[in-house]
Amino acid sequence: GQNIDQPTEMTATEGAIVQINCTYQTSGFNGLFWYQQHAGEAPTFLSYNVLDGLEEKGRFSSFLSRSKGYSYLLLKELQMKDSASYLCAVKDNDYKLSFGAGTTVTVRA
Amino acid sequence: GAVVSQHPSWVICKSGTSVKIECRSLDFQATTMFWYRQFPKQSLMLMATSNEGSKATYEQGVEKDKFLINHASLTLSTLTVTSAHPEDSSFYICSAKSPGVETEAFFGQGTRLTVV
Repeated sequence: GQNIDQPTEMTATEGAIVQINCTYQTSGFNGLFWYQQHAGEAPTFLSYNVLDGLEEKGRFSSFLSRSKGYSYLLLKELQMKDSASYLCAVKDNDYKLSFGAGTTVTVRA
Repeated sequence: GAVVSQHPSWVICKSGTSVKIECRSLDFQATTMFWYRQFPKQSLMLMATSNEGSKATYEQGVEKDKFLINHASLTLSTLTVTSAHPEDSSFYICSAKSPGVETEAFFGQGTRLTVV
């Protein structure tokens, strides 16, 4: 089975940095995705990690440690528009995605 | 990037009726598409894997006779919710796999189904 854990909620101020952790225990691993989802909308792709290490893309970075079953998404220079739910998803060998419950990030002025 | 179009964006239907949701890959051929369901404040749950030209593979607990999936062409998969009931009200989202692209799953816009 798949077990993916991430915090339920996080709050931060505009301009700050927030780190969303994701731990996983899955049968089969072929990559980890991070998605951003605003209420009532489909998820938007943020990042993909398949090898250990840090992937940086503008204000967003994602880290993966396969041996620890751990990933994090780092959001820098937070903006109000970053208020959303952030989903961690693990891809298995059949390309199926198993999603965590999502972390709701609230950015305050 | 690849584009996946889902239609309709929202639908309201009466209890007992059937609703069809379409998922199209617009600029690539998708041999595999996935259907997810998301209840309010919950994450996406995979319902089934749709394979072109063959029967869909359903996840445990998903009734295949209630959620009919047809993947008749390389660019179209449909999900039909049969005999819908209020508890089927949810956000349904499809995604498609683009051949040779392993680094991203392409999602449709989602369909908000409300059964009254």
